[in-house]
Amino acid sequence: QQQVKQSPQSLIVQKGGIPIINCAYENTAFDYFPWYQQFPGKGPALLIAIRPDVSEKKEGRFTISFNKSAKQFSLHIMDSQPGDSATYFCAAWGNQGGKLIFGQGTELSVKP
Amino acid sequence: DGGITQSPKYLFRKEGQNVTLSCEQNLNHDAMYWYRQDPGQGLRLIYYSQIVNDFQKGDIAEGYSVSREKKESFPLTVTSAQKNPTAFYLCASSIPGQRNTGELFFGEGSRLTVL
Repeated sequence: QQQVKQSPQSLIVQKGGIPIINCAYENTAFDYFPWYQQFPGKGPALLIAIRPDVSEKKEGRFTISFNKSAKQFSLHIMDSQPGDSATYFCAAWGNQGGKLIFGQGTELSVKP
Repeated sequence: DGGITQSPKYLFRKEGQNVTLSCEQNLNHDAMYWYRQDPGQGLRLIYYSQIVNDFQKGDIAEGYSVSREKKESFPLTVTSAQKNPTAFYLCASSIPGQRNTGELFFGEGSRLTVL
């Protein structure tokens, strides 16, 4: 119940494409769902996050879609660029547990 | 600038040796965490600490030990009991409790290789 399942494991798109990364969770006590972006050799950094009381959040070219009933959420990257090539992690947080549970990660490559 | 500093960035160790990874933060955060990253397995929680002089085991604590004697510091020791220690180790911090949005701030990691 503490798991967050992420897919796909890797993704290759052409510049301008719209990569979509999906995540699913089981624990309904989770109340914060962030996405982290990690470049090679660096630590992850917060990209965008959503709470379950909204169905969509957009920041620049990055959009989170959230389906509370299905317990799924996804990241869409509009007009993807080679600089977006990185590993993306979804995560889930519940204050009761006091820790962030991460998905397995998606390695995204955007080809020029 | 405020942030999290991990050292060393790269570390090589012989089998049977203990090694300690340093993590220091000047963000005045109460909570600190250690994650292990392996390809295809995401970030797995080793230990975390919500407050000085207190810490809890994460999902993969076996073969690791930590201490939290100061708010700013949360060192991780990889002991010889850890069967597969070669990995990328990430330290993070956050504001715990109700003020916490769940955002973690990460260091740049330490890559440990056992020869």
